[in-house]
Amino acid sequence: DAGVTQSPTHLIKTRGQQVTLRCSPKSGHDTVSWYQQALGQGPQFIFQYYEEEERQRGNFPDRFSGHQFPNYSSELNVNALLLGDSALYLCATNRGNTEAFFGQGTRLTVV
Amino acid sequence: GENVEQHPSTLSVQEGDSAVIKCTYSDSASNYFPWYKQELGKRPQLIIDIRSNVGEKKDQRIAVTLNKTAKHFSLHITETQPEDSAVYFCAADDRGSTLGRLYFGRGTQLTVWP
Repeated sequence: DAGVTQSPTHLIKTRGQQVTLRCSPKSGHDTVSWYQQALGQGPQFIFQYYEEEERQRGNFPDRFSGHQFPNYSSELNVNALLLGDSALYLCATNRGNTEAFFGQGTRLTVV
Repeated sequence: GENVEQHPSTLSVQEGDSAVIKCTYSDSASNYFPWYKQELGKRPQLIIDIRSNVGEKKDQRIAVTLNKTAKHFSLHITETQPEDSAVYFCAADDRGSTLGRLYFGRGTQLTVWP
């Protein structure tokens, strides 16, 4: 079991561009949550996907959107990138009320 | 929404000593409280968790206590070792039967000196 995998591991984008990050859940998990972790801060909840629908959303603008596929994998899309979007993006997966497992994250740098 | 406060932000202890990290939460509906350890450049890893129907949980050198009335919970690490050095995050979840929306504290940088 490879656990939760995210791609790419690192990414550099220019302000105004769009980016897509990917997450494959741990085997048996059907729920994917995305978090943004700024340097020196705790992760902040962006949104959660279950049964291919956004189930919960944190306090992030509409520039942040996502998708979940039938195989439970998920994408996070960010449009019109700002310098302040530079962060580590983590996905966490779980099933029901089991513990959440985190991926290693994607380090996004916006220049 | 939920607000989780974590203290201290940095903690230095001598190898073999105990370390205690404290968190408070604001939403009385929160009922699941995990603790994560994050080493530099790595993913957060769950080290222990507690649900609201339990007051204390222990796993070898690590223990967590929960006071629902006061809305605070604490992580206790005994006999600390240099490999315990990392950033520790507390979190709270208010969803009940389904998890995943975690509210995190700002983290505690623990350094254990040999």
